[in-house]
Amino acid sequence: DVKVTQSSRYLVKRTGEKVFLECVQDMDHENMFWYRQDPGLGLRLIYFSYDVKMKEKGDIPEGYSVSREKKERFSLILESASTNQTSMYLCASRRGGYTEAFFGQGTRLTVV
Amino acid sequence: DQQVKQNSPSLSVQEGRISILNCDYTNSMFDYFLWYKKYPAEGPTFLISISSIKDKNEDGRFTVFLNKSAKHLSLHIVPSQPGDSAVYFCAARTEGEKLVFGKGTKLTVNP
Repeated sequence: DVKVTQSSRYLVKRTGEKVFLECVQDMDHENMFWYRQDPGLGLRLIYFSYDVKMKEKGDIPEGYSVSREKKERFSLILESASTNQTSMYLCASRRGGYTEAFFGQGTRLTVV
Repeated sequence: DQQVKQNSPSLSVQEGRISILNCDYTNSMFDYFLWYKKYPAEGPTFLISISSIKDKNEDGRFTVFLNKSAKHLSLHIVPSQPGDSAVYFCAARTEGEKLVFGKGTKLTVNP
């Protein structure tokens, strides 16, 4: 079974803090994704990585950056957290060229 | 501008009846469409997909229909069960291999 693990289920951070959300997959997948889910807005793509050190902006990259130094790990960085980044963050991975992506359990981030 | 649209935020059906969830899209270059199911506080799980060259794909109680001329797809669940109550997301794969999602439809199956 594919396993996508996000480092925290719940996080509370203060405004202005630098926040790291970590995601690890164990299936040697090339593609990895970060989404955020908000009520009424669905899943919106923040960043996509198609291989190690390769990344593309999604629909809402502002205020975020990513790092993919190793194939199994994809990190989402909030450079200076703001209250409008309070959300559910979902990481996914997928074998390159395939369709189905596998999701982690999500991280509920609250910025106060 | 949203490329994948689910215009019904919610749907309620009786157990044993058919559930039909709808999805419209604008980008004719999408090559695959997928449906995901999501329970609260969990990540989405994959249900079924369809290639843009097909018009139907079936897997047990779940069938997805694709109408390319109308840029419309639908997910049929027959018979619906209370355990099917969840949020259903329609997604599409772009030519750049990104996955874009709709806003979701909350399905409630009443016993």
